[in-house]
Amino acid sequence: QVQLVESGGGVVQPGRSQRLSCVASGFTFSSSAMHWVRQAPGKGLEWVALISYDGSNEYYADSVKGRFTISRDKSRNTLFLQMNSLRGEDTAVYYCARGGTYSDFWGQGTLVTVSS
Amino acid sequence: QSALTQPASVSGSPGQSITISCTGTSSDVGGYKYVSWYQHHPGKAPKLMIYDVNNRPSGVSDRFSGSKSGNTASLTISGLQAEDEADYYCRSYTSSSTYVFGTGTKVTVL
Repeated sequence: QVQLVESGGGVVQPGRSQRLSCVASGFTFSSSAMHWVRQAPGKGLEWVALISYDGSNEYYADSVKGRFTISRDKSRNTLFLQMNSLRGEDTAVYYCARGGTYSDFWGQGTLVTVSS
Repeated sequence: QSALTQPASVSGSPGQSITISCTGTSSDVGGYKYVSWYQHHPGKAPKLMIYDVNNRPSGVSDRFSGSKSGNTASLTISGLQAEDEADYYCRSYTSSSTYVFGTGTKVTVL
């Protein structure tokens, strides 16, 4: 069955970097576009980034553009989110999700807390 | 990239029907058929309920249906059940090749 497992969350200081990973299994990872979506405490879902199935195209929300980079490694069936210059408002549960125009499978999320 | 507008809360009694609206612009909801809806129970992974405006994934109850008129998409839940109590979010593709979620709606079963 399809599984998406995120990792890499934790407490990080403002201005520092963190890299999230999402290991995919149960489907052909190299054929699927992938998203990162986040939810800050007490807030709604926020779309963060999308990468095309082959990694040739990346798209970002204005709130993270220039600071976050989405990438993928097809040999490891893994999606990444490199987060630089982190701010307090980046504190959230980060989910990876399969699919382009709609997301039919989601991971359980990993919590990133930006705090000194 | 402003969030799509949803009512903060909608409630209904068991067996009733409720509708959640999702209002955007011609650059997102109104311009594309790529509107999807997600059910989210806190602490769990979101679940796809409707895709491409009005298509239901396999395994999703036919009590859930979607539609769109102009810049507003809607999710209707008929025969409301206690298990339907959750947060619901719409999402749309945009003219910038990005995506945007709605503000979210808390559904309460009275």
